[in-house]
Amino acid sequence: GAGVSQSPRYKVAKRGQDVALRCDPISGHVSLFWYQQALGQGPEFLTYFQNEAQLDKSGLPSDRFFAERPEGSVSTLKIQRTQQEDSAVYLCASSLNWGSLNEQFFGPGTRLTVL
Amino acid sequence: AQSVAQPEDQVNVAEGNPLTVKCTYSVSGNPYLFWYVQYPNRGLQFLLKYITGDNLVKGSYGFEAEFNKSQTSFHLKKPSALVSDSALYFCAVRASNTGRRALTFGSGTRLQVQP
Repeated sequence: GAGVSQSPRYKVAKRGQDVALRCDPISGHVSLFWYQQALGQGPEFLTYFQNEAQLDKSGLPSDRFFAERPEGSVSTLKIQRTQQEDSAVYLCASSLNWGSLNEQFFGPGTRLTVL
Repeated sequence: AQSVAQPEDQVNVAEGNPLTVKCTYSVSGNPYLFWYVQYPNRGLQFLLKYITGDNLVKGSYGFEAEFNKSQTSFHLKKPSALVSDSALYFCAVRASNTGRRALTFGSGTRLQVQP
């Protein structure tokens, strides 16, 4: 596709449910990033991958959050036992190269609401 | 730790007038600086970046930004605002001297251009 796509666009979960959010990066992009954007705030870094390797997961808020990119393309962010504070927009971004200074291209986000 | 401050939650300007959206940053070493724009229900779109070289950077849609090292600022500017420029603008920084690739974003500034 022409850009980064994310699915679902909207997700409503009951507290305690597990959710999985999908990101399809731009074809050929090596780097993939996940950010969390709370209402009225800027995006905050969660984790990133170079190909299939998760090189930084320092932003994941708890061990309930898990991300993978097994084949170096599509990525999934999984949140176990969701809590109300997990409600946010989850943004995925991809970038062409690891070592370069290419800008990150963002998807439209998945809006997660935990009831 | 790196940080970005966008001191204005909202900027109002009349169509045709010049606009400025302010951004200051804090980072160890030399910064890489970015501006993104966010329209409702859409992902962040890249506007421009400063890596090195000329302090005045020109970007998409007629926007430009001026890097000022002594004031640690990277204000976004446009000579003549359009109603269609109304959106949420985010400044972001990355340190050049670390392996960390994630961006740190400001809290955003809403630009409202009145006809």
